[in-house]
Amino acid sequence: DQQVKQNSPSLSVQEGRISILNCDYTNSMFDYFLWYKKYPAEGPTFLISISSIKDKNEDGRFTVFLNKSAKHLSLHIVPSQPGDSAVYFCAASVSFSSNDYKLSFGAGTTVTVRA
Amino acid sequence: GAGVSQSPSNKVTEKGKDVELRCDPISGHTALYWYRQRLGQGLEFLIYFQGNSAPDKSGLPSDRFSAERTGESVSTLTIQRTQQEDSAVYLCASSLEGGRSQYFGPGTRLTVL
Repeated sequence: DQQVKQNSPSLSVQEGRISILNCDYTNSMFDYFLWYKKYPAEGPTFLISISSIKDKNEDGRFTVFLNKSAKHLSLHIVPSQPGDSAVYFCAASVSFSSNDYKLSFGAGTTVTVRA
Repeated sequence: GAGVSQSPSNKVTEKGKDVELRCDPISGHTALYWYRQRLGQGLEFLIYFQGNSAPDKSGLPSDRFSAERTGESVSTLTIQRTQQEDSAVYLCASSLEGGRSQYFGPGTRLTVL
């Protein structure tokens, strides 16, 4: 049962333009959302996160937007740079307890930034 | 190094053999997670260790899968009688107690022939 879905397997964008990655989830109990970035032959690295009490979080070129009513979040990268070419995973967690943060991941979106 | 390390980086085995995958978490991280990623799919949770608490094994796909952790350090994921559908990248992650952000290792690519 895929609780986190990334419906676009790939995205191609020109350098300098905006990249918008989308993610939908089905579990209304999710209260924390994260984006991870993954280069080939490396593990995912944490990029940015957002708590369900917020609807926007910004960190430099990266902004995550959360729409709880639509169970949708998106990641904006502005401006896109060649080094942003990677696979981006959306993830979500439900804190059953104060120390249980196992993550549910989407299938990933491969971003290619064209020079 | 200061990051999560995993060994081996690649493992090719024959169907029916047992394999052991190792994870060294970041020092001081009390939480440790195992995930696997099959080709074209997202990361799938397998098992979670937190300090001395009983591990959360809810993601293990069958009783052929087991994992141990020594205190708050090394963890070993064991797959017995491997099957071709076990072929995947197995990723380990660790985090601080109460930490939401998990730090991943580079993964072990397992191929079962």
